[in-house]
Amino acid sequence: QKEVEQDPGPLSVPEGAIVSLNCTYSNSAFQYFMWYRQYSRKGPELLMYTYSSGNKEDGRFTAQVDKSSKYISLFIRDSQPSDSATYLCAMSATTGFQKLVFGTGTRLLVSP
Amino acid sequence: KAGVTQTPRYLIKTRGQQVTLSCSPISGHRSVSWYQQTPGQGLQFLFEYFSETQRNKGNFPGRFSGRQFSNSRSEMNVSTLELGDSALYLCASSPWNTDTQYFGPGTRLTVL
Repeated sequence: QKEVEQDPGPLSVPEGAIVSLNCTYSNSAFQYFMWYRQYSRKGPELLMYTYSSGNKEDGRFTAQVDKSSKYISLFIRDSQPSDSATYLCAMSATTGFQKLVFGTGTRLLVSP
Repeated sequence: KAGVTQTPRYLIKTRGQQVTLSCSPISGHRSVSWYQQTPGQGLQFLFEYFSETQRNKGNFPGRFSGRQFSNSRSEMNVSTLELGDSALYLCASSPWNTDTQYFGPGTRLTVL
């Protein structure tokens, strides 16, 4: 079993929908949680970064961490076609961005 | 500032050969990490260099090695290539090894 599980999708939604992306994990030592967005033929770019449990909001994006359930989520409000990409969750037990463990990514398709 | 650059962008090799990939980090960044991305396993951490020293290492065989130069540029080498080494190899840089990582576009390696 992988340390981080993520549904590969694809997840298809109409423009304007609220999108929910999720990851589960098994290592209780993880304390730092990130969400990356990866467009085709590009490297991942950091969207959200949270430490421990709780919520964090940035524009249309909200990240939630529930350490008791070992479950993290990314919500995208008012989704746009430009949000079509692969979304990767990542986590680390050590400070910051060392030795990140990634999910396999969820492909999101937002249709106009 | 210029982003992380990786060369070459695409590479085709045959089994048993060796390959060297290059990464130029963002100017001023001292930490460089390497990741392997495949459809089945997702992004997996290879190793991280900081000021020419390997600080962290993932669970890859010794055929995978790397180094960092005094100007922070980094190379990774894979010897005795196997079919399973076909992947996108991503490099990420950050000012310090606890900071946000910025990814390059990757080198797509195909082993025939």
